[in-house]
Amino acid sequence: GAVVSQHPSRVICKSGTSVKIECRSLDFQATTMFWYRQFPKQSLMLMATSNEGSKATYEQGVEKDKFLINHASLTLSTLTVTSAHPEDSSFYICSARDRNRMNTEAFFGQGTRLTVV
Amino acid sequence: SQKIEQNSEALNIQEGKTATLTCNYTNYSPAYLQWYRQDPGRGPVFLLLIRENEKEKRKERLKVTFDTTLKQSLFHITASQPADSATYLCALATSGGYNKLIFGAGTRLAVHP
Repeated sequence: GAVVSQHPSRVICKSGTSVKIECRSLDFQATTMFWYRQFPKQSLMLMATSNEGSKATYEQGVEKDKFLINHASLTLSTLTVTSAHPEDSSFYICSARDRNRMNTEAFFGQGTRLTVV
Repeated sequence: SQKIEQNSEALNIQEGKTATLTCNYTNYSPAYLQWYRQDPGRGPVFLLLIRENEKEKRKERLKVTFDTTLKQSLFHITASQPADSATYLCALATSGGYNKLIFGAGTRLAVHP
């Protein structure tokens, strides 16, 4: 099956610093990538939809200046958490849809556990 | 308001039995519904997809039903094994652009030897 690689898997950063998370589709082209965050024992909450070559579309309540998304190519999207605070600590997961199979399954990265101290 | 509801309580069953998980939704008209498995600290893994015009789908020991009148999907694992222990998420594909997936909170399944 298709592979989505997310890096890093874990990161600890100091409050006030920025953290970048990468999401790559390894064997398919992803016109669209999605970014989710998940708190313990809760659902995946969609943060934004990232389209190659255009601005991301953010869900209601998600600060676009805090969570910067760049989708520069068909295989790479990045999420930068700017000026991170302890409340940003969470599990962040990216997802990619194969551009040739948009009405089928989504492929997920391994997730990134962010801890802000 | 729109809701996707899965039983938040863990489901504990004996090995060899059939596990049945429920997903109910309100104020959605999904084109299709999907089920994913998520292990602790990992991203979800796709299991099955069922479209609005399909009643049932099977894959090996897995079976999914979809009742658009009841707004409900049932997910069955037959001959369950301890390795099936995980959290199972249902997800709806919204209409409109980008085919966004909206997830339920998931149900934790524990299969005991």
